[in-house]
Order: sequence, then C-alpha cells, then structure tokens
Amino acid sequence: AQKVTQAQTEISVVEKEDVTLDCVYETRDTTYYLFWYKQPPSGELVFLIRRNSFDEQNEISGRYSWNFQKSTSSFNFTITASQVVDSAVYFCALPFGGATNKLIFGTGTLLAVQP
Amino acid sequence: SAVISQKPSRDICQRGTSLTIQCQVDSQVTMMFWYRQQPGQSLTLIATANQGSEATYESGFVIDKFPISRPNLTFSTLTVSNMSPEDSSIYLCSVEDPRGGQYFGPGTRLTVT
Repeated sequence: AQKVTQAQTEISVVEKEDVTLDCVYETRDTTYYLFWYKQPPSGELVFLIRRNSFDEQNEISGRYSWNFQKSTSSFNFTITASQVVDSAVYFCALPFGGATNKLIFGTGTLLAVQP
Repeated sequence: SAVISQKPSRDICQRGTSLTIQCQVDSQVTMMFWYRQQPGQSLTLIATANQGSEATYESGFVIDKFPISRPNLTFSTLTVSNMSPEDSSIYLCSVEDPRGGQYFGPGTRLTVT
C-alpha cells in the first residue's frame, strides 16, 4: 500500500538557518510522482513541487531544494536561509489507487521560523 | 493553474444539522476531489466527483454522510450531514492538474458545536 512518512512533527529554527524536512515513502508503483505542499496559517494548500520518479536529479528553486533518493525512498526538502514567512506546515504527498491525481499525504511537519 | 473558490469560507453549525459546501473552478475539469483535514491532522481524501456519474468514496466515507453533487464541469458540492463535533474540520476541494497532482481551493473551516 502507498504510505508517506514525515517523522518530524515540529521543527523550530532561527531565521537564516537552513532546515531540511524529511519524507519517506512506500509505493508498489514502478513509476510515480511525489509532491510537496505548503500550508501557511491561513489554511490554503500551496503547491511547491512535483517530481517524477524517472528524474532523480536534485532540484533547486531559489531558497528551496529537493533531494530525491529512489534507493532509500526519500524525497527531502531543504530551505536555505529560512525566513519567518516560511513558517507553515509542509506536506509530502504520493498518488494512490493507480491514479496520478488522487493523493495520500504525510502527517506534515510544522516549521516555525523565529525572528 | 486553476483558480478554485469555496463557499462558505467558514461556518459554525449545531450538532444534528447539515451544511453544504460549494466549490467553483474557473475552467472545465473532469475530476474534482474533496478532502477533509481534521484539527492538527493531515489531509484525507473523501471522494472523487466526476460530472455525470456518482461520486467514488474512499474507505471510511459513505454517501449518506457526505453526499456530493457534480452538476457540471466547473462546480461541485459536498454536504456534511447530521453533523457531530467530530466533523469539525477543514474541508478542501481540489481539481486535477493534467501534469499530475492537484490544485486546492482555500478550504472551508467547519466547527460543530
């Protein structure tokens, strides 16, 4: 069965620190997508990245970077030089049920960035 | 990307009543989804709504409790029936992203007293 594990429940850092959010997944699919979403205190879900399992290259977008390791079934997310606006709950997600658009979410990691 | 709106944005309801949540998207989509996020918890898929057919419910969710309508390709409703305090959650509507994954609406915060 599909499963997403985010072992870090809460992380607190001071502004400008780097922080890595862990995501470990289980899937029976040979090809699949992985996703990260951000949920700020306002509640809306903001899409951050989609990664195809074919592509194991790390991705960088500004202060955000993602490390995909298929061998360890991990898809970790690093924020460099964190800012207070990065404070949110971050969810890792994986499709299930043979679909690419039905998602199972991890339990989320609450990131608090202190000024 | 799709723009999704939900009504109401929040509501406080009494036990035993029902609430209908509306979801409107700015483009035609085949699939719409409804998720529940209980306080401090992750998101759980309730059902998938296709236009012209009955919604498909995930394990643990039933039509009598969460009836869904999908009258056209841009609109859907979710009703939370015979509410109890355990139904207090954020309910999110989403639509498929053709590239994989979903776009989410702003959510409806429901409190049942």
